[in-house]
This record gives sequence, C-alpha cells and structure tokens, in this order.
Amino acid sequence: GESVGLHLPTLSVQEGDNSIINCAYSNSASDYFIWYKQESGKGPQFIIDIRSNMDKRQGQRVTVLLNKTVKHLSLQIAATQPGDSAVYFCAENRGGSQGNLIFGKGTKLSVKP
Amino acid sequence: DTGVSQDPRHKITKRGQNVTFRCDPISEHNRLYWYRQTLGQGPEFLTYFQNEAQLEKSRLLSDRFSAERPKGSFSTLEIQRTEQGDSAMYLCASSFPGLARTDTQYFGPGTRLTVL
Repeated sequence: GESVGLHLPTLSVQEGDNSIINCAYSNSASDYFIWYKQESGKGPQFIIDIRSNMDKRQGQRVTVLLNKTVKHLSLQIAATQPGDSAVYFCAENRGGSQGNLIFGKGTKLSVKP
Repeated sequence: DTGVSQDPRHKITKRGQNVTFRCDPISEHNRLYWYRQTLGQGPEFLTYFQNEAQLEKSRLLSDRFSAERPKGSFSTLEIQRTEQGDSAMYLCASSFPGLARTDTQYFGPGTRLTVL
C-alpha cells in the first residue's frame, strides 16, 4: 500500500561520526517532505524540509537528499552529538487539498560517546 | 513560549469516562491538526482545521471523537466513553501554508492519555 517507511528501525553511531537515516516513500504525487526529531516524551520537532522540485537541501549540520526516481529520502547529520539521540521520522505531504502528513515508523538514533 | 501548547500533558481516566484536551496553536497559524501516536509508531492523522472549518477527518476518528475550533484559535478534542485502545499520545500541530504552499507543521508536546 501507499506508505512512508524507513529502512532501519535503529542506528547506532559514534559521537563525531556522520549519521545517515533513510526513508522510502511510495506515492509519486507527494510534493513535500519533512524530517522530524522526537525525544522521549516530547512532540516531534521540525528539523528540515524539502519540496519535490529540489533534490538537496542543507541546514545546520543536517542535509536532506531527495531521489524522486527511486522514491528515496535521506537525512544526513554531520558530526553527530549525544544530543542528537532520538527517534527520527520522515513525513510526506501528498499535496492538493490534503493537509495531513503521512509518517513512517521512525528510526531510533543512538549516539555512543 | 510562542510554540504550540497542549493541556493537560498527562491524563489518566477510567474506561467509559469522557476526556477533553486543549491545543493552543502558534498565534498566526491558521491550520491546526490533531494526530494520535502509539508507542513505537509514527503519528497518525486524525483531523485538521483551517481557521474554524474542519476540513478533513480520518477514518480513525470514530463517532466517539469530536474536535472543535470555535473561534479559529484554540481547539479541543473530546473523546467520549473512552476505551483502553484510546490510550496514546495525542499531538496537536499548527501551520501557516501561506503563498509558499509548503505546510510545515509544528507540533506541541502532546497529551499522554492512559485509559484504565
């Protein structure tokens, strides 16, 4: 069915290394994608977004890559810090009059000091 | 704090009771969303408002659930005759799509509901 999913449920990295979190989506009509970070007991926190007319967008220590050919989205975190430990969700907006976001199940990132 | 706020943060109730949650969006945001999140899952859409109009409802929103946004500002989500399966985190988000047509949604801290 149509869904946003993630390749790995957990990711463990060493502090200072780069992290890459992947996401696959199946709806080619989706025109907007967002990455969220969620810490335990808190609401999702916006990290970075990208529209379907772009293939890369950079923020502070984060980069989102969009490959529409294979319907793949990734989040790269440079120099990962212990404070980056959280669950990361990608979400898609299918455009048009549909306002809701479709979320994947999330990847839990653990940063080892 | 100018972010999305939700009240209460935690609610414990007995099965069959009614509960009501409140969400105050970011002040200039005209869209307001409700999501539900169970442990280990991503948020699932329930409903959303543009100003005071409820524009979309998920099939997850059974007839025991009702949401309002009477003046286009804060919103309430009521669950009647709660069931144990209603136990979840209820998240509110708000956005202002504007001319850019990108609907960046900002989430509140959530209300954790436990139905005994």
